[in-house]
Amino acid sequence: SQQGEEDPQALSIQEGENATMNCSYKTSINNLQWYRQNSGRGLVHLILIRSNEREKHSGRLRVTLDTSKKSSSLLITASRAADTASYFCATYFSGSARQLTFGSGTQLTVLP
Amino acid sequence: GAGVSQSPRYKVAKRGQDVALRCDPISGHVSLFWYQQALGQGPEFLTYFQNEAQLDKSGLPSDRFFAERPEGSVSTLKIQRTQQEDSAVYLCASSPDRVVPISGNTIYFGEGSWLTVV
Repeated sequence: SQQGEEDPQALSIQEGENATMNCSYKTSINNLQWYRQNSGRGLVHLILIRSNEREKHSGRLRVTLDTSKKSSSLLITASRAADTASYFCATYFSGSARQLTFGSGTQLTVLP
Repeated sequence: GAGVSQSPRYKVAKRGQDVALRCDPISGHVSLFWYQQALGQGPEFLTYFQNEAQLDKSGLPSDRFFAERPEGSVSTLKIQRTQQEDSAVYLCASSPDRVVPISGNTIYFGEGSWLTVV
């Protein structure tokens, strides 16, 4: 079963615009991670935010975490066509020591 | 190699056939994971190895699924008597350390083995 749910399921924007994706999860977590998956490829780790952190930046990526709402957001600024991919949030929730549990993903399309 | 390598990349199996999927993790990585990803969905956990020990196999969907990592490096996922619902991408991932959920592990994924059962 999926622990997280991403919103929206699909997002289409113009190059240069910002893209925001949201993730909600159900149980308490230790940390939350975001991954990218290009079509037909494996997943690439983007960023990890710990449960005691509220915001984290990495290059054009900004992640926020609100544990009271059990939600996280991923913002990609100044998007590029190469950012076109599926984006997944993933968590180790407290009930599982080893199972990184993924959401269903947001398909981002950046139009040139 | 530099990354996680999986083979075959594509496999078409007739229903009822047995298949074996191979994973070569990054050299020296302690942790190895198998995930199943259905079309349009996120990956779902199948099993976890720490070196040669299979510490968690709670995600394996049935006793037709079997995984091994006998020498703590290469791993094989075997699916017996394949069924159409087994059609999916099977992702292998590895991590240099044993899993520490509190601090988080960066997990490196292979590009997957695409299994189609006809």
